[in-house]
Amino acid sequence: GAVVSQHPSRVICKSGTSVKIECRSLDFQATTMFWYRQFPKKSLMLMATSNEGSKATYEQGVEKDKFLINHASLTLSTLTVTSAHPEDSSFYICSASRQGGAMNTEAFFGQGTRLTVV
Amino acid sequence: GESVGLHLPTLSVQEGDNSIINCAYSNSASDYFIWYKQESGKGPQFIIDIRSNMDKRQGQRVTVLLNKTVKHLSLQIAATQPGDSAVYFCAEKTGGFKTIFGAGTRLFVKA
Repeated sequence: GAVVSQHPSRVICKSGTSVKIECRSLDFQATTMFWYRQFPKKSLMLMATSNEGSKATYEQGVEKDKFLINHASLTLSTLTVTSAHPEDSSFYICSASRQGGAMNTEAFFGQGTRLTVV
Repeated sequence: GESVGLHLPTLSVQEGDNSIINCAYSNSASDYFIWYKQESGKGPQFIIDIRSNMDKRQGQRVTVLLNKTVKHLSLQIAATQPGDSAVYFCAEKTGGFKTIFGAGTRLFVKA
């Protein structure tokens, strides 16, 4: 299957700093990528849809100024957690579907990024 | 609003037995469903999918059943193995690109 890669897999940062997480589609182009957040023993919660060349679409309740998304190319989307606080600590996961594929095709997921804010 | 949920939060089965994981969805407009497996500290891994014009689909050791009348989805794993231990999520798409996840079921396989 297609490969989606996230970097870093684990990051610890101090409160008040910003952290950037990268999501890359390695063997296909993706005009759309998605960012999820997952708390321990909980499901994945969709945060936003990352659109190549345009603004991201955020889900209700997600602060767009807090979670900055940039999708500058067909293979890279970044999520920046700005002015991080301990409550931002979580597991962040990105996904992408093949560009031009049938609309109802499975999404491929990155390996996730464990963010710990101290 | 839209939601995809699961009946059982945990399931414990004996190695070699069959496992059945259930899922209920509320959006009757959903037209594509996927089961994912997630191991600790990793991203979800695709297992099997089914479109709304089908009621059953089989893969290797896995079968997905879809009952649109009662908006119910299930995943059957034959001859469950220790490597099947993980959290399983059903997910749905409604004519678009978003994948919305259910609550998840943790499967424990006893040796």
